[in-house]
Amino acid sequence: QVQLQESGPGLVKPSETLSLTCSVSDDSIRTHYWSWIRQSPGKGLEWLGQISNSGSTEYNPSLKSRVTISVETAKKQISLKLRSMTTADTAIYYCVRGSSSWYQYFIHWGQGTLVTVSS
Amino acid sequence: DIQMTQSPSSLSASVGDRVSITCRASQSIFNYLNWYQQKAGKAPKLLIYLASNLQNGVPSRFSGSGSGTDFTLTISSLQPEDFATYYCQQTSSMPLTFGGGTKVEIK
Repeated sequence: QVQLQESGPGLVKPSETLSLTCSVSDDSIRTHYWSWIRQSPGKGLEWLGQISNSGSTEYNPSLKSRVTISVETAKKQISLKLRSMTTADTAIYYCVRGSSSWYQYFIHWGQGTLVTVSS
Repeated sequence: DIQMTQSPSSLSASVGDRVSITCRASQSIFNYLNWYQQKAGKAPKLLIYLASNLQNGVPSRFSGSGSGTDFTLTISSLQPEDFATYYCQQTSSMPLTFGGGTKVEIK
C-alpha cells in the first residue's frame, strides 16, 4: 500500500509562495498521475491540478496561473507551488495518487497538511 | 467548468434506513463519475468509480447509478460507520470538479 506524506510550512504570509512536497513510498511515482486537492475549513474539495506519468500538467483555471506542480522521480517527490497566497488559500492540502490512465479516481491520499495564510 | 450539484446538502437518517444522494452535472459527463466518503478529520475514501463500480473493500450496501447528467449514490441499510459526508466528482473534462457534499447525520 503506497504511503503519501505531505510536508511544508503550516503558516504562510499573504503574497508569499507556498511550497509543499509530497513524499511517495514506492515506485508508482513513475506510473501514476498525481494531483493536489485542497479543502478549506468546513468546506468542500477543490482540485488544484495534476501531473501525469508522462510529465504533462493540467491546472485548475480558477487559480489563475498561480500554481505549478512538478515531480522529482529520483527523490520520489511531487511538489506544489502556489504563488501570491491570500487568506482564501487557507486550507488542508492533500497530495493524491490518481490512476495510471486518463480516467482519474483517487484511492490513495496523504493525511493532508493544514496551511494557514496570515500575517 | 462542469458544475456538480449535490442534493440534499444534509440529511438525518436512522440506522437501517435506505439513503439516496443525488448528484447532477451541468452537462453530460457520460458515466465519468466517482463517489467519496469523508469522515471528520480524515481524507476522503473512494467508494464508487465510473458511476456504478464498487471500489475493492467497500461494503455492498453502497451502490451507484446514473449516466449523462444525473447520478445517485444509495446506501441500502445505513450503518453507524456510514455517518459521514459524501462527495461526487466528475472526470469527464478538466478541471476535475467535486460536488458540494452531502452530510449524513444521525436522526
